[in-house]
Amino acid sequence: EAQVTQNPRYLITVTGKKLTVTCSQNMNHEYMSWYRQDPGLGLRQIYYSMNVEVTDKGDVPEGYKVSRKEKRNFPLILESPSPNQTSLYFCASSVTGVLGEQYFGPGTRLTVT
Amino acid sequence: KQEVTQIPAALSVPEGENLVLNCSFTDSAIYNLQWFRQDPGKGLTSLLLIQSSQREQTSGRLNASLDKSSGRSTLYIAASQPGDSATYLCAVLVDSGYALNFGKGTSLLVTP
Repeated sequence: EAQVTQNPRYLITVTGKKLTVTCSQNMNHEYMSWYRQDPGLGLRQIYYSMNVEVTDKGDVPEGYKVSRKEKRNFPLILESPSPNQTSLYFCASSVTGVLGEQYFGPGTRLTVT
Repeated sequence: KQEVTQIPAALSVPEGENLVLNCSFTDSAIYNLQWFRQDPGKGLTSLLLIQSSQREQTSGRLNASLDKSSGRSTLYIAASQPGDSATYLCAVLVDSGYALNFGKGTSLLVTP
């Protein structure tokens, strides 16, 4: 089944403790991206990747890192999480870059205390 | 910056009604517009993708129209069913952009 998977789905952590949210797609898509969704603010892009080893900042990249060493994986790294990074995070991928239909993962709900 | 607005924020209708969800955007220089459905605890599912050169797209009971010059799109749902209850999001991609600009969504409840 074609899908985008994220792990973990739920995470509660403490301020400053490094964490990684994984994202993987099995559709051989070149384009992948991360969004966060907050009440009243909607979805905002954090980072995107056009292909392996090609990443760039989205609208709200502060406090986040990404890497794209393999085509299928695009992990989101929070080196020192803070409470304002409490949010619902979505990974997405597309075969034709941002121009095409976007496939979203199920989301990761992160709480930073 | 592209601003995307969805009205109404919430909508409740009885089963069987035809309904229209609205999406407006401030910059008409868009590449495409997508409608998504979001169910609680789940990700977003793409419903329809309209290229800027198109006027509408249809999938089953769903029809989306696009009027680029006026900065508007509508999602028409025919013969609504309780299973249609979800949040509907529209997102636009501006020319030369690398990110979708999302509206805040319309929360739809279809009652039996």
